[in-house]
Amino acid sequence: NAGVTQTPKFRILKIGQSMTLQCTQDMNHNYMYWYRQDPGMGLKLIYYSVGAGITDKGEVPNGYNVSRSTTEDFPLRLELAAPSQTSVYFCASSYRGQNYEQYFGPGTRLTVT
Amino acid sequence: SQKIEQNSEALNIQEGKTATLTCNYTNYSPAYLQWYRQDPGRGPVFLLLIRENEKEKRKERLKVTFDTTLKQSLFHITASQPADSATYLCALSNNAGNMLTFGGGTRLMVKP
Repeated sequence: NAGVTQTPKFRILKIGQSMTLQCTQDMNHNYMYWYRQDPGMGLKLIYYSVGAGITDKGEVPNGYNVSRSTTEDFPLRLELAAPSQTSVYFCASSYRGQNYEQYFGPGTRLTVT
Repeated sequence: SQKIEQNSEALNIQEGKTATLTCNYTNYSPAYLQWYRQDPGRGPVFLLLIRENEKEKRKERLKVTFDTTLKQSLFHITASQPADSATYLCALSNNAGNMLTFGGGTRLMVKP
């Protein structure tokens, strides 16, 4: 099992550009999450999904969009990138909800200049 | 608003000693508390989960306590090793939603 995979590993965007961060899990998990982590800070939840076709906002959803068309994939879309979106983005998955461990991907380091 | 506090200063200890990390929370009634380890440049890795009705949980050299009266969890690593050096994150959740809320993490440095 590859677990949770994310692409790309690194990306530099110019202000106003858009991009999609890819996330795939092969553990047949129902729940998937997107977090961002700023230097020296904890993880903040952007969006999550409890199953294919169902998504919901987390703590910091502004400037992002998600979709969940399959169990395996949970892409994160950044529209009109801003410097405030410079961060490390982690995708995670879990079998069920908050009382189950989450498995994290390796992260995508995004810089917006 | 909900607040989860972990000591932002690094904890430096000698190899073989017990490391104790603290996670305090306010304005929150968590049903579950999780601890994760994060190495530089990598995603967090799950270590332990403890429920509100459990006082203590152990796994090998790791021990977690959960005091809902003090609103605090303690994370202990006994017989610490340099390989235990990492950032440790606590995360809380309740029965009302599907989200984990993470603390800022504490960096542990174990010196040989």
